[in-house]
Amino acid sequence: EAGVTQFPSHSVIEKGQTVTLRCDPISGHDNLYWYRRVMGKEIKFLLHFVKESKQDESGMPNNRFLAERTGGTYSTLKVQPAELEDSGVYFCASSHPPGGVGTDTQYFGPGTRLTVL
Amino acid sequence: AQSVSQHNHHVILSEAASLELGCNYSYGGTVNLFWYVQYPGQHLQLLLKYFSGDPLVKGIKGFEAEFIKSKFSFNLRKPSVQWSDTAEYFCACRPSGGYQKVTFGTGTKLQVIP
Repeated sequence: EAGVTQFPSHSVIEKGQTVTLRCDPISGHDNLYWYRRVMGKEIKFLLHFVKESKQDESGMPNNRFLAERTGGTYSTLKVQPAELEDSGVYFCASSHPPGGVGTDTQYFGPGTRLTVL
Repeated sequence: AQSVSQHNHHVILSEAASLELGCNYSYGGTVNLFWYVQYPGQHLQLLLKYFSGDPLVKGIKGFEAEFIKSKFSFNLRKPSVQWSDTAEYFCACRPSGGYQKVTFGTGTKLQVIP
């Protein structure tokens, strides 16, 4: 079974440009999460999809960040326009609760390292 | 809102030494607890988790963790570390029930010297 995949693995852009990150969850996983780790700090929650619906987007830093999950499969996270403080590693995770809500374990992708110059 | 505190940011051990990494969480209700590991160049992997039941949880690669509710702690242990355990370890917490976000600690980098 394929794991969570993310593309690209690295992205270097200039301040003001736009970047789109992609996450493909494990097949059949309805839950998809985005996290970010700024260098040296903790991994912080950004948002959570259940299928194509945003369940919780309380961690999104500001309106320069837009996440979508059309069709409930893969997800994209767009940063427009990018700022220096957006640099970090963006992780995606997916899960399927075998026993119902709250019983799931999240499986993480390799992350996308974003550098904004 | 919940928070997670990992006390050690960088730990250096010799092979065969015993390991204990501290983790404390702050939350007023019941929680699910996790330890994840990130080996160099690899993605985050689940080491072990606690949802309910026996507070002593055994995970992969000889790791275990004990949930002590009175201390709000979930320390990770391994009796004898190997060079291959060199990695970054993350403790994480999630309020149980419903759709709840996971909160991570800042991570502990473990370096095992051969």
